[in-house]
Amino acid sequence: DSGVTQTPKHLITATGQRVTLRCSPRSGDLSVYWYQQSLDQGLQFLIQYYNGEERAKGNILERFSAQQFPDLHSELNLSSLELGDSALYFCASRFRNTGELFFGEGSRLTVL
Amino acid sequence: AQRVTQPEKLLSVFKGAPVELKCNYSYSGSPELFWYVQYSRQRLQLLLRHISRESIKGFTADLNKGETSFHLKKPFAQEEDSAMYYCALSPPFETSGSRLTFGEGTQLTVNP
Repeated sequence: DSGVTQTPKHLITATGQRVTLRCSPRSGDLSVYWYQQSLDQGLQFLIQYYNGEERAKGNILERFSAQQFPDLHSELNLSSLELGDSALYFCASRFRNTGELFFGEGSRLTVL
Repeated sequence: AQRVTQPEKLLSVFKGAPVELKCNYSYSGSPELFWYVQYSRQRLQLLLRHISRESIKGFTADLNKGETSFHLKKPFAQEEDSAMYYCALSPPFETSGSRLTFGEGTQLTVNP
């Protein structure tokens, strides 16, 4: 158990819909990262938050947004969903900006 | 810019054979380097970090600054080593927007 909790574990929805993925980092970790893992691609970095502030952005679509709340949990919002958004979405956390990343179990999104 | 290259997407060996998963990086400075393992699309787990210089599950990795490589090795592969392996790089100090950059991964299959 990494200490990082992601919900939901599985989600099936239709094209055009909107979903919210939630992540609770390890206790005390200030940095939260979101990654997307599709079947045909490796890990794609989406976005990073540090203590409530956005710190880095990767290949995140405009239809996607995220935030980190004062209690340090984070949410990834995916809207106007397309078939190609079907993927595993991982959240990871670490104490600051260096050192090991701890990953959650992922949220498996299927868009039909 | 920081970059990680894993030249082999797929690697297949027989049980008991030596295995080497290649990782090359690009970074101006001295980064932190990691190997993560992912079994059957579950959460990523840290396997090794170059700072600790440990051997985990029989795997070792040596940082070669001259060749900017951090190859993962195991002298005798086991079937349970079959997994996806990711090499990752992080700047060594805290910077705004510091993030872990992953290679594309190598799928290792150990055949009986």
